[in-house]
Amino acid sequence: QKEVEQDPGPLSVPEGAIVSLNCTYSNSAFQYFMWYRQYSRKGPELLMYTYSSGNKEDGRFTAQVDKSSKYISLFIRDSQPSDSATYLCAMSATDSWGKLQFGAGTQVVVTP
Amino acid sequence: DAGITQSPRHKVTETGTPVTLRCHQTENHRYMYWYRQDPGHGLRLIHYSYGVKDTDKGEVSDGYSVSRSKTEDFLLTLESATSSQTSVYFCAISDRDPAGGQPQHFGDGTRLSIL
Repeated sequence: QKEVEQDPGPLSVPEGAIVSLNCTYSNSAFQYFMWYRQYSRKGPELLMYTYSSGNKEDGRFTAQVDKSSKYISLFIRDSQPSDSATYLCAMSATDSWGKLQFGAGTQVVVTP
Repeated sequence: DAGITQSPRHKVTETGTPVTLRCHQTENHRYMYWYRQDPGHGLRLIHYSYGVKDTDKGEVSDGYSVSRSKTEDFLLTLESATSSQTSVYFCAISDRDPAGGQPQHFGDGTRLSIL
């Protein structure tokens, strides 16, 4: 079983809708949680970075962490066609020398 | 964008040949990482470096070696390439102490095909 599970999609939504993405994990030592966006043939781009549980908002993006359920989420409000990309969750533990564990990524398609 | 340059961007080679990929950064970050990305597996860590001449193995290090002789350059070598090493390779950098979490910034990758 993988340490980090993420539905690969594709997830297709109409423009303006809320996109809801999530990852589950099994390692209770994970403390740092990240979301990356990856466009085709490009490298992952850091979107959100959170520590421990709680919510974090940045513009149209909201990240949530529920450590008790080992579940993290990313919400994208007022989605745009330019949000069409693959979204990767990643996480690490304090004593892991920064080694990130990634989900496999969810492909999102926002249709005009 | 973080100043990370990967070279070459594309390479096709034959089984059994040695291959070296280069990652060059202009951010003076201490930590550097090599990942491979394959469908269904996400990004998997191959090797990482926590300083000049300081490197260690990641999750999928078999068949790969690395070197870091300068802060700005991190080389990944496939000593004798195999078809299973066909992948997209990403370099990442970070300036944070491991205890503070490690948001990493990525280059745009090298597409490597081994025939």
